[in-house]
Amino acid sequence: GENVEQHPSTLSVQEGDSAVIKCTYSDSASNYFPWYKQELGKRPQLIIDIRSNVGEKKDQRIAVTLNKTAKHFSLHITETQPEDSAVYFCAASRDSSYKLIFGSGTRLLVRP
Amino acid sequence: NAGVTQTPKFQVLKTGQSMTLQCAQDMNHEYMSWYRQDPGMGLRLIHYSVGAGITDQGEVPNGYNVSRSTTEDFPLRLLSAAPSQTSVYFCASSQPAGKDAFFGQGTRLTVV
Repeated sequence: GENVEQHPSTLSVQEGDSAVIKCTYSDSASNYFPWYKQELGKRPQLIIDIRSNVGEKKDQRIAVTLNKTAKHFSLHITETQPEDSAVYFCAASRDSSYKLIFGSGTRLLVRP
Repeated sequence: NAGVTQTPKFQVLKTGQSMTLQCAQDMNHEYMSWYRQDPGMGLRLIHYSVGAGITDQGEVPNGYNVSRSTTEDFPLRLLSAAPSQTSVYFCASSQPAGKDAFFGQGTRLTVV
C-alpha cells in the first residue's frame, strides 16, 4: 500500500544554521506533497505544499523540493530560529484519492 | 471563526466502554477525516468522508465507526475501547478534497 518514509526522526541544529528533512513515497501516482508543523501540545498546521508539476517552491525561509523520478521530496529551513523548534510531518496524496498519508515526523530542535 | 472543533479535549475510558468523539467544522468543507497520533508513528488515517452520507476506511479502521449525516459533523465512535486505542485523535477537514487539511485541537484518549 501507500507509504511515506521520513528522515531523520530527530534533528538538532544551532540557531542560524539550515535544517533539511527528507521524505520518500511509494505511490508513483502521488502528486500533492504538503508539510505540516506541530508545536508541543498543538494541532498540526500546514506550512508549505508542492504539487507534482513544480520542482521547487519557496516561502521566505522555507523551501520544498520534489524529485518525482526518485520519489522523494525535502523541506529546507534556512536561518533557523528557536521558534522553528517543533515536529514536522510530510505527507503525500493523489488528486483522485481522498487520503493524506503522513510520514512519521521529525522533531527539530533549534539551539539558541 | 471556529474552524474545526473537537470535543472532548481529554477522556479516560475503562476497557470495554464505548464513547463518541465529536468533530464539527463550519467551513462548508466536503472532506473530513480522523487520524490517530502515536509516538514515532506520525498521523495514521482511521476513516474519512468525501461528503454527507459517504464514508470509507483509512489505514487503521478496526475498532472505530463513523457516520456523516451532515456536512458539518463527523463523529468517531469507539464501540468497545481497548488499551491499544490510547492515543491522541485529530479530526481534519479540507476543500478541495484531500488538500490543505485543517486540524482540530485534538482529543487525548486514555484507555485503562
